[in-house]
Amino acid sequence: DAGVTQSPTHLIKTRGQQVTLRCSPKSGHDTVSWYQQALGQGPQFIFQYYEEEERQRGNFPDRFSGHQFPNYSSELNVNALLLGDSALYLCASSPLDSRGSALHFGNGTRLTVT
Amino acid sequence: AQSVTQLDSQVPVFEEAPVELRCNYSSSVSVYLFWYVQYPNQGLQLLLKYLSGSTLVKGINGFEAEFNKSQTSFHLRKPSVHISDTAEYFCAVSDYQTGANNLFFGTGTRLTVIP
Repeated sequence: DAGVTQSPTHLIKTRGQQVTLRCSPKSGHDTVSWYQQALGQGPQFIFQYYEEEERQRGNFPDRFSGHQFPNYSSELNVNALLLGDSALYLCASSPLDSRGSALHFGNGTRLTVT
Repeated sequence: AQSVTQLDSQVPVFEEAPVELRCNYSSSVSVYLFWYVQYPNQGLQLLLKYLSGSTLVKGINGFEAEFNKSQTSFHLRKPSVHISDTAEYFCAVSDYQTGANNLFFGTGTRLTVIP
């Protein structure tokens, strides 16, 4: 049973560019959440997708957007990249309304913005 | 609003010694509490969680944590650590309203086990 898979594992971009990160949830999970983990920090919630719609959003600018596909996989898009966007981006999946069921995390995508 | 404070950024401990990693939270509503572990270049793995009921929660790899509502704490403990426990540990909280998908994490505690 495959867990949460993310691609690519590493990515280097230049300021001002756009990037797309991809995530496939754990089998049986229909909800995908994205987190940003800056170096030396804990993960911060970006947003959550269910039924191809954004259901919750953290304190991130509109440059961060997402998408969920009918097969529950998801993409995170970041436009107009800033140096401060350099971080580990984590995807997590769970059943909807898990209310206590823990998130399952992927290994992340390390984004470096130069 | 919720927040999590992990008081120790780094904890060195000798192999086979006991360890406690401290976590305090603030929330105006009832909460769920979690401890996750992160090994280098990996995502987060759930160690244990508190939802309700018994305040002493047992997790994987011999870890346990105790929920203390009056002190708003959820400290993680292990009676005897191994080299393989060296990792970053994160405490996280969510509440009944937002569910368990929107977690607030602390800044982490780096546990280093010394041979």
